[in-house]
Amino acid sequence: DSGVTQTPKHLITATGQRVTLRCSPRSGDLSVYWYQQSLDQGLQFLIQYYNGEERAKGNILERFSAQQFPDLHSELNLSSLELGDSALYFCASSVVQAGELFFGEGSRLTVL
Amino acid sequence: LAKTTQPISMDSYEGQEVNITCSHNNIATNDYITWYQQFPSQGPRFIIQGYKTKVTNEVASLFIPADRKSSTLSLPRVSLSDTAVYYCLVGDRRKLTGGGNKLTFGTGTQLKKWNS
Repeated sequence: DSGVTQTPKHLITATGQRVTLRCSPRSGDLSVYWYQQSLDQGLQFLIQYYNGEERAKGNILERFSAQQFPDLHSELNLSSLELGDSALYFCASSVVQAGELFFGEGSRLTVL
Repeated sequence: LAKTTQPISMDSYEGQEVNITCSHNNIATNDYITWYQQFPSQGPRFIIQGYKTKVTNEVASLFIPADRKSSTLSLPRVSLSDTAVYYCLVGDRRKLTGGGNKLTFGTGTQLKKWNS
């Protein structure tokens, strides 16, 4: 158990819909990262937050947005969903001055 | 960020030592090298991290030559449970949390196990 909690674990929805994925980082971790992993693909970096502020942005679509709240949990919002958005979405957190990312178990999104 | 290149897959025999090499020709002075392991449908798990020479822990060893343009992850006596994808990452650890470090995972190396 990495200490990072992601909900929901599984989500099935239809094209055009909107979903929210939630991540609770490890206690004390200020930084949260979101990654997308499609079938048989590597991990694509989406976005990073540090103590509530966006710090880095990767190949995140305009239909996607994220935020980190004062209690440090983070949410990834996916809207106008398309079939190609079906993937595993991982959240990771890290401590200050450490080199290790701790990943959650992921949220598997299926868009039908 | 330094780009990394790894073999797409490697075969191994149970009980054999496996070495996976990662190339990172444009590694920067402050960059560290980190390896992660990922099983299907699970999040990646940290294996080992190093800056230069050799690092060893209870799971693996990491060899980094003097020019730091490559690194080799060594897994001793692999078993079926080591069948996973292994990712090499290079980045400035100082920027990991506060400086906007776009930690990018490459395609990784799929370790495949063949019965001996």
